[in-house]
Amino acid sequence: GAVVSQHPSWVICKSGTSVKIECRSLDFQATTMFWYRQFPKQSLMLMATSNEGSKATYEQGVEKDKFLINHASLTLSTLTVTSAHPEDSSFYICSAIAAGGLDGYTFGSGTRLTVV
Amino acid sequence: AQSVTQPDIHITVSEGASLELRCNYSYGATPYLFWYVQSPGQGLQLLLKYFSGDTLVQGIKGFEAEFKRSQSSFNLRKPSVHWSDAAEYFCAVSGQGNLIFGKGTKLSVKP
Repeated sequence: GAVVSQHPSWVICKSGTSVKIECRSLDFQATTMFWYRQFPKQSLMLMATSNEGSKATYEQGVEKDKFLINHASLTLSTLTVTSAHPEDSSFYICSAIAAGGLDGYTFGSGTRLTVV
Repeated sequence: AQSVTQPDIHITVSEGASLELRCNYSYGATPYLFWYVQSPGQGLQLLLKYFSGDTLVQGIKGFEAEFKRSQSSFNLRKPSVHWSDAAEYFCAVSGQGNLIFGKGTKLSVKP
């Protein structure tokens, strides 16, 4: 079945630094990838939708300059948290779907970001 | 606007007992519905999905769900729960290309 690999699984960084999270579709071409944020014991909140070769579409309230998304190829999307602060600490999960859409959304295993 | 409601925040069942997790959705058109399971610190695994056709959908790990349009519901069921089923369960509806999640139901299983 479809597999999405997300790295790193966890990362600790100092306040003010930037962190990049990678999301790769291993055995299919992901025309669309989604980035979610999940706070402890809460549901997933969509941050942005990225389509290969075009700018990401951000949800209302998500800072575009803080959460940089690049979907440079059909198998790779990256989320960069710039100038991270402790309030950015969260669980970030990516999801991908193949061309033609809705056969299913495949999720990465998530990245636990802790900003100290 | 599309939305998903999971009325139960936390459910505890005995191992071997039956399980039903409730999900209600609000969506203007024919919905695409999903159930996902999440273990602590992990991503989401798809249990089952409904797009069209037979309203009773079979999924992995012995789960099934029934789509009831009249009740705007897509409840998840399992006849006999195993201790390994303890996790967080999310119902989701496909909106304009993205998934809209309910707040989740935490399932605890007691021996």
